[in-house]
Amino acid sequence: KQEVTQIPAALSVPEGENLVLNCSFTDSAIYNLQWFRQDPGKGLTSLLLIQSSQREQTSGRLNASLDKSSGRSTLYIAASQPGDSATYLCAVETSYDKVIFGPGTSLSVIP
Amino acid sequence: DGGITQSPKYLFRKEGQNVTLSCEQNLNHDAMYWYRQDPGQGLRLIYYSQIVNDFQKGDIAEGYSVSREKKESFPLTVTSAQKNPTAFYLCASSIGGAYTGELFFGEGSRLTVL
Repeated sequence: KQEVTQIPAALSVPEGENLVLNCSFTDSAIYNLQWFRQDPGKGLTSLLLIQSSQREQTSGRLNASLDKSSGRSTLYIAASQPGDSATYLCAVETSYDKVIFGPGTSLSVIP
Repeated sequence: DGGITQSPKYLFRKEGQNVTLSCEQNLNHDAMYWYRQDPGQGLRLIYYSQIVNDFQKGDIAEGYSVSREKKESFPLTVTSAQKNPTAFYLCASSIGGAYTGELFFGEGSRLTVL
């Protein structure tokens, strides 16, 4: 059974710092991995989707990497800003077409 | 702009009442989904539909019902049989096909049972 974890559950950093968020999954047989952002009381916003054949994806200050063999993905945020404060969730689509979400990492960027 | 619209944003229900949450998309996506989000937990799938007039139960379908009469619409009814309905409900869509692919979400509906 696929399980997705995200550590730490919460992270607080000063503005301008580069940071890494982690996502781990137990079964390497995945089709893709997606990173989302969720602001309080809002829906999820898609940030990056990495197909299983890809190693990384980039969008602006965000870079997501995928290592299927080790069951890990990282979301790198460069030069963090207070507006980056939100909960970040990862989700994997398994080989049997099921999407499993992690519990999220709550990020606070302090001005 | 294309997107997913959920309504109402907030809903209060008395015990024993059924309520229906609306989800409309103009992304021309075939697949639509309903998720439930509770504090400290990952999203859990309630129902999904990959084509009009067809839908499948997800992991926590008990106490919920759906319909898919139009491609654009996928309403969720929370029935009185749902024991703990207070939660944040999220509707999503994707292009569909063999795999789910990229998911797009609405802004959510928060249901509170009084």
